[in-house]
Amino acid sequence: QVQLVQSGPEVKKPGASLKLSCKTSGFTFTRYLIHWVRQAPGQRLEWMGWINGGNGNTKYSQKFQDRVTITRDTSATTVFMDLSGLKSEDTAVFYCAVGSTLDHWGQGTLITVSS
Amino acid sequence: DIQLTQSPSSLSASVGDRVTITCQASQDINTHLNWFQQKPGKAPKLLIYDASNLEIGVPFRFSGRGSGTDFTFTISSLQPEDLATYYCQQYDDLVTFGPGTKLEIK
Repeated sequence: QVQLVQSGPEVKKPGASLKLSCKTSGFTFTRYLIHWVRQAPGQRLEWMGWINGGNGNTKYSQKFQDRVTITRDTSATTVFMDLSGLKSEDTAVFYCAVGSTLDHWGQGTLITVSS
Repeated sequence: DIQLTQSPSSLSASVGDRVTITCQASQDINTHLNWFQQKPGKAPKLLIYDASNLEIGVPFRFSGRGSGTDFTFTISSLQPEDLATYYCQQYDDLVTFGPGTKLEIK
């Protein structure tokens, strides 16, 4: 079955950088888009960007494009999301999800940004 | 960027009620719209894809319709386990989520 397993929670200081991972299994990695979505406490879902598992092409939301980089390791069927210049408003749960319909999601990773 | 608006932002209904949520896109998105259910502390779950297609395993009381800029999501007979926030999401041009509709059970 399709599984997306994300890395664990972290506490970061303002200005620091973050690298999250999303290990996938149960589908052909190179055929799908993998997305990252941010959700601050009590707030809406915010799409950050996606990577094409096959050719590595990326697309980012205008809101995050100056700070986010999404990469992949095809052999490990794992996607990574780097976010720089962390701010308190980046305190959130970050999710990865697969496909144009985002039909499977990871369990989410809680990131706390605090001095 | 394509913007999505949802209404209402919250609603309270009784078990057995018919519930409808609307989603409007800022431009024509064909039928490139999905609906998600998110329960507290959980990842979102896809319910409806391509505006009107029921995801496998999702109860038949959930349905969606629409195309272009105007979409509706309906729960035909509300159940206690439907307590959640519901989001529309477009993928016609990149990805955007609506602001969500919080559904409470009376």
